[in-house]
Amino acid sequence: AQSVTQLGSHVSVSEGALVLLRCNYSSSVPPYLFWYVQYPNQGLQLLLKYTSAATLVKGINGFEAEFKKSETSFHLTKPSAHMSDAAEYFCAVSDNFNKFYFGSGTKLNVKP
Amino acid sequence: EAGVTQFPSHSVIEKGQTVTLRCDPISGHDNLYWYRRVMGKEIKFLLHFVKESKQDESGMPNNRFLAERTGGTYSTLKVQPAELEDSGVYFCASSLIAGSSTDTQYFGPGTRLTVL
Repeated sequence: AQSVTQLGSHVSVSEGALVLLRCNYSSSVPPYLFWYVQYPNQGLQLLLKYTSAATLVKGINGFEAEFKKSETSFHLTKPSAHMSDAAEYFCAVSDNFNKFYFGSGTKLNVKP
Repeated sequence: EAGVTQFPSHSVIEKGQTVTLRCDPISGHDNLYWYRRVMGKEIKFLLHFVKESKQDESGMPNNRFLAERTGGTYSTLKVQPAELEDSGVYFCASSLIAGSSTDTQYFGPGTRLTVL
């Protein structure tokens, strides 16, 4: 069985501060991991994905995530938050790239 | 290139009524997925089409839900009769290659369904 837990349904940071969104997964097989972002009135957009290559994955808009097997984590980070980063972020796990298991989402608020 | 589109964007119906949601995938994408997010919780997988065939429908909650994809193009998801717990946001996604690490599922903006 696979599942994802996102700690913190709401995260608030100041513009220019570090963004850290937490994701822990449970998987009975080697997982593939994803971060998606949803801006208001838009569909989910892929930020980055881990497919068992490099454990540090770089995505779009300056985001990156590190796969840590020992901690079963795949936290999303960005060194410096921009106002445009305000959105809802979803972590997901899959074992076959077809059926995704998503977390409950984290809304990121960026304060000026 | 147009993305995944969904219609309607919002639907408000009464308990017991029927609602049909539509998804138009990206042109040429054989794989189409339906997901649902209820009450701000996690997004849950409903089913996966490959062309017009249901590849995996393990996430369909019950027989009040019927998904079709005639001709392998657009898909519809019908809820009949709708219950209060069916309220949520229904997302559709499509991909070119099923099960590929090099491909991506592209999501639509979702249909917000409210059952009163």
